[in-house]
Amino acid sequence: GAGVSQSPSNKVTEKGKDVELRCDPISGHTALYWYRQSLGQGLEFLIYFQGNSAPDKSGLPSDRFSAERTGGSVSTLTIQRTQQEDSAVYLCASSLADSAYEQYFGPGTRLTVT
Amino acid sequence: KNEVEQSPQNLTAQEGEFITINCSYSVGISALHWLQQHPGGGIVSLFMLSSGKKKHGRLIATINIQEKHSSLHITASHPRDSAVYICAVRSQGAQKLVFGQGTRLTINP
Repeated sequence: GAGVSQSPSNKVTEKGKDVELRCDPISGHTALYWYRQSLGQGLEFLIYFQGNSAPDKSGLPSDRFSAERTGGSVSTLTIQRTQQEDSAVYLCASSLADSAYEQYFGPGTRLTVT
Repeated sequence: KNEVEQSPQNLTAQEGEFITINCSYSVGISALHWLQQHPGGGIVSLFMLSSGKKKHGRLIATINIQEKHSSLHITASHPRDSAVYICAVRSQGAQKLVFGQGTRLTINP
């Protein structure tokens, strides 16, 4: 079956613009995660969705970052008023239920803020 | 000090060598993951374990909960094993993963 997909694969934007990144999880997976990998840095947790529960937003670095998950499937990560330090690869992962299950990663969106 | 520390940061070896990558963590965990990230950027989950040992092909992962330490071993290493290997832990009661900085492995033919 299809894996986790993300779009766009690459995004170049000017400082101050808003961007939206999309994640399509594996069908039937109720848990969805967003991570960020900055150049030369490790992976960093951003936000976690599980079913209809309130998301765990504890990893969002500022109030410019928000995410939603509509209908328990597709998720959108929005970054408002982008800054150069937002440049990174944004990765989405999904798992069958909660984090007790293996996570499947998407290919990522490389965001460059100029 | 990071919650998850990996060593070494970089490792270069010859094809066929036995490889060990180490991961130490400082918190109580419910699970530990080993991930592989190839140069193209894609991440694949290799193992998820909470005790003992798991084996998949030439890869072996072990964990010692008391010592808060895990190792990833690769037997008969091959150039296609060249990648960044990442250790991640899920703290008890939490859902999010905390990641190590990764170990960049290069296997020369």
